[in-house]
Amino acid sequence: KAGVTQTPRYLIKTRGQQVTLSCSPISGHRSVSWYQQTPGQGLQFLFEYFSETQRNKGNFPGRFSGRQFSNSRSEMNVSTLELGDSALYLCASKTSGSNTGELFFGEGSRLTVL
Amino acid sequence: GENVEQHPSTLSVQEGDSAVIKCTYSDSASNYFPWYKQELGKGPQLIIDIRSNVGEKKDQRIAVTLNKTAKHFSLHITETQPEDSAVYFCATTFGNEKLTFGTGTRLTIIP
Repeated sequence: KAGVTQTPRYLIKTRGQQVTLSCSPISGHRSVSWYQQTPGQGLQFLFEYFSETQRNKGNFPGRFSGRQFSNSRSEMNVSTLELGDSALYLCASKTSGSNTGELFFGEGSRLTVL
Repeated sequence: GENVEQHPSTLSVQEGDSAVIKCTYSDSASNYFPWYKQELGKGPQLIIDIRSNVGEKKDQRIAVTLNKTAKHFSLHITETQPEDSAVYFCATTFGNEKLTFGTGTRLTIIP
């Protein structure tokens, strides 16, 4: 069974640009969560989608948005990029909407904002 | 607020010795406490979890203990090996069901 796939793995953008990251969950998984990982802050929750609906949202500005498609694939978008948005963005999927299910993480998309 | 504090941020131990990582949480309603291990260049991976009705759980060389009264839980790794070197994250779910992670502990095993 294929794992969680994130694309692109690395990207470089400049301030003010926007970026879209993609996540393909494990087959059969309907929940997709996004996390931002930075050296000082650890893993910060961005949002979770389940069956195309946003279930939870973290404390990030409106520049961060996401969506989920009918095949459970998810995308997140960051508009008007700032230097502080440089981070590893991790996607994780799980089988159900239960809050105690194991999260399966992808290897992440490393974003550098110059 | 919903908060998980994790200590220490870095830990170095001699191969064969034990390592202990501790986390405290702020919400008494938390009932699920997983630990994730992140190796270099990879995403975090679940290594063990414990639920609030259990005080301790073991899986070979790793164990987790939970003290709900004091609101803290710990990861214990015995007989450490070089492949245990990684970043470890504790986590818990608060009332709104999102999984909140600690800030991580970088564990280095010294050969």
